Amino acid sequence: EVQLVESGGGLVQPGRSLKLSCAASGFTFSDHNMDWVRQAPGKGLEWVGRIRKKSDSYTTGYAASVKGRFTISRDDSRNSLYLQMNSLKIEDTAVYYCVVLGPFGYWGQGTLVTVSS
Amino acid sequence: QSALTQPASVSGSPGQSITISCTGTSSDVGAYNYVAWYQQHPGKVPKLMIYDVNNRPSGVSNRFSGSKSGNTASLTISGLQAEDEADYYCASYTTSSTIVFGGGTKVTVL
Repeated sequence: EVQLVESGGGLVQPGRSLKLSCAASGFTFSDHNMDWVRQAPGKGLEWVGRIRKKSDSYTTGYAASVKGRFTISRDDSRNSLYLQMNSLKIEDTAVYYCVVLGPFGYWGQGTLVTVSS
Repeated sequence: QSALTQPASVSGSPGQSITISCTGTSSDVGAYNYVAWYQQHPGKVPKLMIYDVNNRPSGVSNRFSGSKSGNTASLTISGLQAEDEADYYCASYTTSSTIVFGGGTKVTVL
């Protein structure tokens, strides 16, 4: 059974940092590009960024709204995905999902990040 | 990258067919056959319904179908059922190697 389990969410003040983790199981993690998608309360889905697999040199891409502040990384030996979020803003408040997009459509349950003073 | 344009809401009676549009540009929807559709019930995780414009993952009802013409993709739900009431989002790969989602469409079964 495919599982994506996010962790690390919580309440953080504006301007501070937070790191999310995603533990993957049930599929060959290293074979897949991995994405982060977020959803603000009562709002739609927003793509955050992607890290590609080793054969694509682990290249990353980000949405304009987070570029320069967020960094995605992965550890294939631990089947884990990470999202380092710096200089957090109130508008970054959302549920953050770890996702395998494309024909697989694997989604985690999400972890809530609340940015508030 | 602007969000893809979807109608805010679409409604239909049980048994009817409805179509949700997803309009982008030649830099996203029109550029590749990488359009996906997701269904999200309140408080639930999004579920993949269509990938690569018109392919259904295993387990998804054949009442759901996708298509694309130019810069506009569409999701059609035939034989509408009460359980289809949910939010639907389209998504597309872009020429900037990013992903863009639509704003979402609330489907109401009358």
